[in-house]
Amino acid sequence: QKEVEQDPGPLSVPEGAIVSLNCTYSNSAFQYFMWYRQYSRKGPELLMYTYSSGNKEDGRFTAQVDKSSKYISLFIRDSQPSDSATYLCAMTVRYSSASKIIFGSGTRLSIRP
Amino acid sequence: GAGVSQTPSNKVTEKGKYVELRCDPISGHTALYWYRQSLGQGPEFLIYFQGTGAADDSGLPNDRFFAVRPEGSVSTLKIQRTERGDSAVYLCASSPSPGQGNTEAFFGQGTRLTVV
Repeated sequence: QKEVEQDPGPLSVPEGAIVSLNCTYSNSAFQYFMWYRQYSRKGPELLMYTYSSGNKEDGRFTAQVDKSSKYISLFIRDSQPSDSATYLCAMTVRYSSASKIIFGSGTRLSIRP
Repeated sequence: GAGVSQTPSNKVTEKGKYVELRCDPISGHTALYWYRQSLGQGPEFLIYFQGTGAADDSGLPNDRFFAVRPEGSVSTLKIQRTERGDSAVYLCASSPSPGQGNTEAFFGQGTRLTVV
């Protein structure tokens, strides 16, 4: 069993829709949760990070963590064609010092104009 | 430059050959990571350095893979006796010093390795 599970998609929604992306994990030691966005033939770039259960909002993006269920989500409001990319959840056991980051397999998202 | 730089961007090599992939991290970043990404998959952890030492090399698949960071800056990932299954995009990332509040890793564009 992988430490981090993510539905690979692809997911296709119309412009303006709300998108929900999810990951589950098995290692209860994970404390720090991230979402990366990756465009084709580019390296991943960090979108959001959080280290506590609950919601964190940044513009059109909301990250949600439920440690009791080992479940994290990313919501995108008012989705735009430029949001079309692969979204990777990622997590690590420590946030106060660098440690290895474990990624999900990524969800390919397409926003239709 | 301002970001993580990886060279070459593309590398085609014959099965059995030796290859070196280079990573130039963001200046001042003490942590450096190597990942491998196959098509349709997320990045797979290989190794991470804190300064000059390998803090965690548990992701290296076998002894054909080796990485160094002799001066705590540039790193080289070395693959001996390449196999077709080694074909992937090799990503490097760097992050700031521990204790600076977060572990955001900044990624380079990757080196696309093709073994024929």
